[in-house]
Amino acid sequence: AQSVTQLGSHVSVSEGALVLLRCNYSSSVPPYLFWYVQYPNQGLQLLLKYTTGATLVKGINGFEAEFKKSETSFHLTKPSAHMSDAAEYFCAVSDTSGTYKYIFGTGTRLKVLA
Amino acid sequence: ETGVTQTPRHLVMGMTNKKSLKCEQHLGHNAMYWYKQSAKKPLELMFVYNFKEQTENNSVPSRFSPECPNSSHLFLHLHTLQPEDSALYLCASSQDQGAGNIQYFGAGTRLSVL
Repeated sequence: AQSVTQLGSHVSVSEGALVLLRCNYSSSVPPYLFWYVQYPNQGLQLLLKYTTGATLVKGINGFEAEFKKSETSFHLTKPSAHMSDAAEYFCAVSDTSGTYKYIFGTGTRLKVLA
Repeated sequence: ETGVTQTPRHLVMGMTNKKSLKCEQHLGHNAMYWYKQSAKKPLELMFVYNFKEQTENNSVPSRFSPECPNSSHLFLHLHTLQPEDSALYLCASSQDQGAGNIQYFGAGTRLSVL
């Protein structure tokens, strides 16, 4: 069965510092991978997704993620944090054929310090 | 604005009440989902509808009753809920149930059961 692990339920960075949010998955075959962001009092918004092709995926708001099959990871990064990046971030996986289910991680709350 | 609207945004109800949550999507999608989001837990998929037909009931208690009258509208009828049902209920939609489809989320209904 697939599973998603997000290391660190809370991450704090200074404004302008590198953001690194970790996501590891467990799957018998490489799945499709997603990062979503949830701002306070809002639903989830897609940041980026990986299906096939280039393993470095660029998303909105300056975020990017790299699929590393050997490490079963899909970590999210942003070179320079902005105050507006403070939110909760969710990694999700889905099968690559036939099914529709997303398996979500437990989320990482990002705090950006002035 | 994601194109998925949920009402009400907040709901407080007693354990003997009956209430309904509404979700409407303006994206022309064919699949709609209900999720439950509780603190410190991954998003839990509750129900899935595809072309108005229920395709998934993830062992949800019968006190939650979904209804999908057309591809644009989804309801969650609630009755005799328990305090542990207090959570954020999120609606999502996608083009169809194919793997890798992006799910678009509403802002959610924050439910408190007293």
